[in-house]
Amino acid sequence: QVQLQESGPGLVKPSQTLSLTCTVSGDSISSGRYYWNWIRQPAGKGLEWIGRIYASVTTYNPSLKSRVTISVDTSKNQFSLRLGSVTAADTAVYYCASLGSDSYWGQGALVTVSS
Amino acid sequence: QAVVTQEPSLTVSPGGTVTLTCASSTGTVTSGYYPNWFQQKPGQAPRALIYSAYSKYSWTPARFSGSLLGGNAALTLSGVQPEDEADYYCLLYYGAQGVFGGGTKLTVL
Repeated sequence: QVQLQESGPGLVKPSQTLSLTCTVSGDSISSGRYYWNWIRQPAGKGLEWIGRIYASVTTYNPSLKSRVTISVDTSKNQFSLRLGSVTAADTAVYYCASLGSDSYWGQGALVTVSS
Repeated sequence: QAVVTQEPSLTVSPGGTVTLTCASSTGTVTSGYYPNWFQQKPGQAPRALIYSAYSKYSWTPARFSGSLLGGNAALTLSGVQPEDEADYYCLLYYGAQGVFGGGTKLTVL
């Protein structure tokens, strides 16, 4: 059973960079079976797809593309999200997930952008 | 960027049948958009129900089914249970880019 767990600071100051890590257990992150995604959800609102990485190829939401980087660390079986120049509008629960024929989600990590 | 549209809310009686739809601003939704459906209950992470329009996961209850219907992706719940009350989200792929719909709040009443 694959499990995902987000980790990272819960509070980020405006204009700084949000960094989150997703630790994958139960399978190798480089097995080639999974599309690794980041998704976020502001309080009381819907889901927003941020981007994904598969076989070292990244795809991002055009509305966030200039600020987002998703990367994989195979040695730690982790993948990461960096979102730069954050504002209060980036306050949300951030989920890491694999989507498609193998779908697993982390429990989510609340990140608040505030000074 | 494309916009994916779902009904904001629907109400169904226990034991009834309800169909949720997922429309694309670009036109007809086909299997090439790889429609996914997710269920989310308050305070929980979303749970995947359907992928590639029709395919179920091992944990997907039999009463849930996915289809392509009238130019949209659709999720049908047959024999609705009280525990099906939740928010439901569809996800469409435009090439490699995913776009979520705004979600449907399903009330079982």
